[in-house]
Amino acid sequence: AQTVTQSQPEMSVQEAETVTLSCTYDTSESDYYLFWYKQPPSRQMILVIRQEAYKQQNATENRFSVNFQKAAKSFSLKISDSQLGDAAMYFCAYRSREAAGNKLTFGGGTRVLVKP
Amino acid sequence: ETGVTQSPTHLIKTRGQQVTLRCSSQSGHNTVSWYQQALGQGPQFIFQYYREEENGRGNFPPRFSGLQFPNYSSELNVNALELDDSALYLCASSRPQGGADTQYFGPGTRLTVL
Repeated sequence: AQTVTQSQPEMSVQEAETVTLSCTYDTSESDYYLFWYKQPPSRQMILVIRQEAYKQQNATENRFSVNFQKAAKSFSLKISDSQLGDAAMYFCAYRSREAAGNKLTFGGGTRVLVKP
Repeated sequence: ETGVTQSPTHLIKTRGQQVTLRCSSQSGHNTVSWYQQALGQGPQFIFQYYREEENGRGNFPPRFSGLQFPNYSSELNVNALELDDSALYLCASSRPQGGADTQYFGPGTRLTVL
């Protein structure tokens, strides 16, 4: 079974600066997807960015980018030019592309605090 | 906003009761997944429905059951509620696209079991 680990319970960043969130995962599969989701206090889980394991190029979405290291099974998220609205819980998630169904396996989350 | 809606927003039940949670999927999506998120933890997969059939189940007991309707909306039913069932219940809808589908989440239902 796949597992996802987020080792940082909480990260603090000054507004306009950069913060990097760590995520590692364990899998024996070679084809899969990785996601970062944001969950603000409103509770709704919002997709931030997605990475396909067969693509070597790191995904980027505006101020959000990932560093995907397949051999190391590492998938970190960098938030650049942090804004107050970035304050939220961030979850890393794994989805198999080989197994039937498309369940997401989530990590335990990292709380991001943004200081004005 | 993702277009996925859930009802009710909050619910309080007592141990041993039964509860039904509802989810309306985003337009064009035929797959609904349910997750349980205990306080301070990441979501855990309960099960998934695709075209009205269960299409995968996580490590949850049979008292967690579900349905999907022809319009692709879905229900999660929990019987014989236990205190540990207190959690945020999230549903997510998606449309399989050769494996490239992304799940879009609703705002969740907060269930408290007393």
